[in-house]
Amino acid sequence: DAKTTQPTSMDCAEGRAANLPCNHSTISGNEYVYWYRQIHSQGPQYIIHGLKNNETNEMASLIITEDRKSSTLILPHATLRDTAVYYCIVRPGNTGFQKLVFGTGTRLLVSP
Amino acid sequence: DTEVTQTPKHLVMGMTNKKSLKCEQHMGHRAMYWYKQKAKKPPELMFVYSYEKLSINESVPSRFSPECPNSSLLNLHLHALQPEDSALYLCASRLEPGGGNTEAFFGQGTRLTVV
Repeated sequence: DAKTTQPTSMDCAEGRAANLPCNHSTISGNEYVYWYRQIHSQGPQYIIHGLKNNETNEMASLIITEDRKSSTLILPHATLRDTAVYYCIVRPGNTGFQKLVFGTGTRLLVSP
Repeated sequence: DTEVTQTPKHLVMGMTNKKSLKCEQHMGHRAMYWYKQKAKKPPELMFVYSYEKLSINESVPSRFSPECPNSSLLNLHLHALQPEDSALYLCASRLEPGGGNTEAFFGQGTRLTVV
């Protein structure tokens, strides 16, 4: 898996957009960008993933730069329940590759 | 049903005990994973099962013994553990082992304490 770099921690005010960056400068052409989050003492939860194009679902938006070397996860209206550790992971899309390896993640604190 | 169910939620065991952790999913997923997570650290991959066969062992000590009796069930047998093995043990599943375009579903974990 390509390595990812994320800030250790970030703060966000409730109701504002939270923009979480991820650097994956060694990403290969067939590697997907995945985002998971882990709320305290729970299992990780899938948020969103993408390959080249920007993606949006009911939880978040994923913006991938044109060169694919970095991405940003956007929580449009952060709530207190979004306080969690957010993990950015890249993994190949080819058949046969099985690992899902977590980096250190970003601890997001949403405050009132 | 999009759940991965882990039992028990909490487990306290002595260093001479034998215990098992259980993980179950009914989504038809053919890849199942065990992770270990220490406090304030990311989950660390331990084992991967593909189509009920062990495909990846990340050099895990033999006191941890995985088993996949069928496509819905994954066990982790524990024997002669050390206090440093105390951690949150997470199970996950994916539709297919390979390919990058499907997400993993995680259970809520078993909080293990070795005394």
